[in-house]
Amino acid sequence: KNQVEQSPQSLIILEGKNCTLQCNYTVSPFSNLRWYKQDTGRGPVSLTIMTFSENTKSNGRYTATLDADTKQSSLHITASQLSDSASYICVVSGADGTSGTYKYIFGTGTRLKVLA
Amino acid sequence: DAGVTQSPTHLIKTRGQQVTLRCSPKSGHDTVSWYQQALGQGPQFIFQYYEEEERQRGNFPDRFSGHQFPNYSSELNVNALLLGDSALYLCASSSGLAGGLDEQFFGPGTRLTVL
Repeated sequence: KNQVEQSPQSLIILEGKNCTLQCNYTVSPFSNLRWYKQDTGRGPVSLTIMTFSENTKSNGRYTATLDADTKQSSLHITASQLSDSASYICVVSGADGTSGTYKYIFGTGTRLKVLA
Repeated sequence: DAGVTQSPTHLIKTRGQQVTLRCSPKSGHDTVSWYQQALGQGPQFIFQYYEEEERQRGNFPDRFSGHQFPNYSSELNVNALLLGDSALYLCASSSGLAGGLDEQFFGPGTRLTVL
């Protein structure tokens, strides 16, 4: 069964601290993995996208890593800011063998709260 | 470029009613996907439209239907509303690049409350 699991479910950190969010997946075949940031009540916004051959991708203070062998990814946030408070969603894309299209499997997200 | 737009932003309906949600994709995008996101959960894929046809469908009942127009905008219709249909409905558009590498751009969502 294609699944994406994220941990922790929620996280509280102090402003200026670093944190790492985890994503484990069982989606097969695998095409790419994306991390999204979603503010409450808003649509998700893309942070990074990585294909099978990439093991790290950065976007400002956000750095994503991918280990395709162990099917694990992490999102590291450096020097956190109050505006980083949001849900972070891991999405894995894989080819749908029957239709020739691509399916997107979403994790349930990690809710991050940054305190002053 | 206005990006992906959705209307309305909020909607309140009662059980048994029908609802239509609308989405305009980002300029240059021809593929529209719809997602349901319950409070505290990740988005769940409903279906995807391309060239005015439903190309993929998630595990949702037939009460959920959609349409895509020649200008690539799309509608999501839900009949016989249930309390459990209360959620944030997200529309995402993409350009259908090969290899599934097309980035999905999400709209702000429509918050549906069923009473």
